[in-house]
Amino acid sequence: DAKTTQPTSMDCAEGRAANLPCNHSTISGNEYVYWYRQIHSQGPQYIIHGLKNNETNEMASLIITEDRKSSTLILPHATLRDTAVYYCIVTLSGNTPLVFGKGTRLSVIA
Amino acid sequence: DAGVTQSPTHLIKTRGQQVTLRCSPKSGHDTVSWYQQALGQGPQFIFQYYEEEERQRGNFPDRFSGHQFPNYSSELNVNALLLGDSALYLCASSFIWGRSGELFFGEGSRLTVL
Repeated sequence: DAKTTQPTSMDCAEGRAANLPCNHSTISGNEYVYWYRQIHSQGPQYIIHGLKNNETNEMASLIITEDRKSSTLILPHATLRDTAVYYCIVTLSGNTPLVFGKGTRLSVIA
Repeated sequence: DAGVTQSPTHLIKTRGQQVTLRCSPKSGHDTVSWYQQALGQGPQFIFQYYEEEERQRGNFPDRFSGHQFPNYSSELNVNALLLGDSALYLCASSFIWGRSGELFFGEGSRLTVL
């Protein structure tokens, strides 16, 4: 079973920041938080991952709470092309099999 | 640089038949994982291949088998197909010693069992 809890769906206005929450209260000290997204009819796409510190790349920012029991993925300026299912995954590393839950369906609205 | 490629993209089989799906990993990658995604669900891990051997396996019956070739490409075989095997089958590649550990997924092969 997935070790994470995410809202089923969220809406976001185009151009606004999309903040996607994830709870992972049972995370262990050596487990990473990974985020992937899956646009309709495509394979999942890696977005970002982190262990303790906040991370930022060209796609998004990842904010991890100090106790590591929850995190937030931030898409700073959402576009219609960001409409997708977003998966938050807790795992030891990328070569450890990923356990996907049902994710959050983000709809970006014009 | 080609990403992960899978074939065929769509196929239809009948119960009891056998199917083979193919995957070519991203250039420079040596590890291939297979996932099954039923409609409305997240992908589920089937197995992972590295150095032509199955390294890890998820909770799937022996009807699901695979192979990795010396050029790192891989096949997924499913025997005695059941209606419940209808799904999107995803291949993901990675480099075993990659720093970031992210997986690169293909577009998938959509299997329909009638």
